[in-house]
Amino acid sequence: RKEVEQDPGPFNVPEGATVAFNCTYSNSASQSFFWYRQDCRKEPKLLMSVYSSGNEDGRFTAQLNRASQYISLLIRDSKLSDSATYLCVVNAIISGAGSYQLTFGKGTKLSVIP
Amino acid sequence: DTAVSQTPKYLVTQMGNDKSIKCEQNLGHDTMYWYKQDSKKFLKIMFSYNNKELIINETVPNRFSPKSPDKAHLNLHINSLELGDSAVYFCASSLWRPGHGNIQYFGAGTRLSVL
Repeated sequence: RKEVEQDPGPFNVPEGATVAFNCTYSNSASQSFFWYRQDCRKEPKLLMSVYSSGNEDGRFTAQLNRASQYISLLIRDSKLSDSATYLCVVNAIISGAGSYQLTFGKGTKLSVIP
Repeated sequence: DTAVSQTPKYLVTQMGNDKSIKCEQNLGHDTMYWYKQDSKKFLKIMFSYNNKELIINETVPNRFSPKSPDKAHLNLHINSLELGDSAVYFCASSLWRPGHGNIQYFGAGTRLSVL
C-alpha cells in the first residue's frame, strides 16, 4: 500500500457543483494532516490543516478519520478559480531521528468548467 | 518580500555539467527542505536540514549534495547531470505550530532541463 494515496482524477465539474476528494494513508503513527493546493506550474500552497473534529474554511471542509486512516476535502459551490491540483499531505515523526517528515500524495486534479 | 526564494527559476544545461540551485528563507524557520517534482507531478522529498544539520536524506544519488551555510540558506549542488534529473526542484521551509503540525512554505521552484 502506498504511503499516501489519492485518486489522480481529473475531476471535471461544472461551476457551482460540490466535489469531494478522499485520501488514504498507511502510517498509523501519522500525527498531522493537510491539504495543499498546487496551480499549474506553481508551487504547492497550504489550503488547510485537517483536524479530527473536522474543520471548515468558507466553501472548504476537511475531515479526518483516524480509525480508517483517510482524509477528505469537500468543496461547495465550485468556482473556476478552484481549478488546481489538490495534494493530500501527512506528517509523521521519524522514529529515532527526533524530527518529522511530510509525505505528499500525488494529487487530485480538479477542473471547474463554466 | 518573497518568503522562500530560490534561484535560478529556469536552468537549461547539458548532460555531464555541474550546477547549483540556491535557496533562502526570511521566515526565521529552523527547517529547510529540497523536493523534486518529476514529469508525473509526484512531489518527493530529497533532503531536510534542521538548524544546518542534515536530518532527512532520502535515497538520492550522491551526485546531489545539499549544503546549509546557515539556517536561512539551503543550496543544492548537482554533479554530472543526467537526463533523468530534469524536473522541478522546490525548496521549502517549515514551522512547527502546536495543534497544527509542520506547515511548509515553498519557493517558486527551479525548472531544470538537462539536454
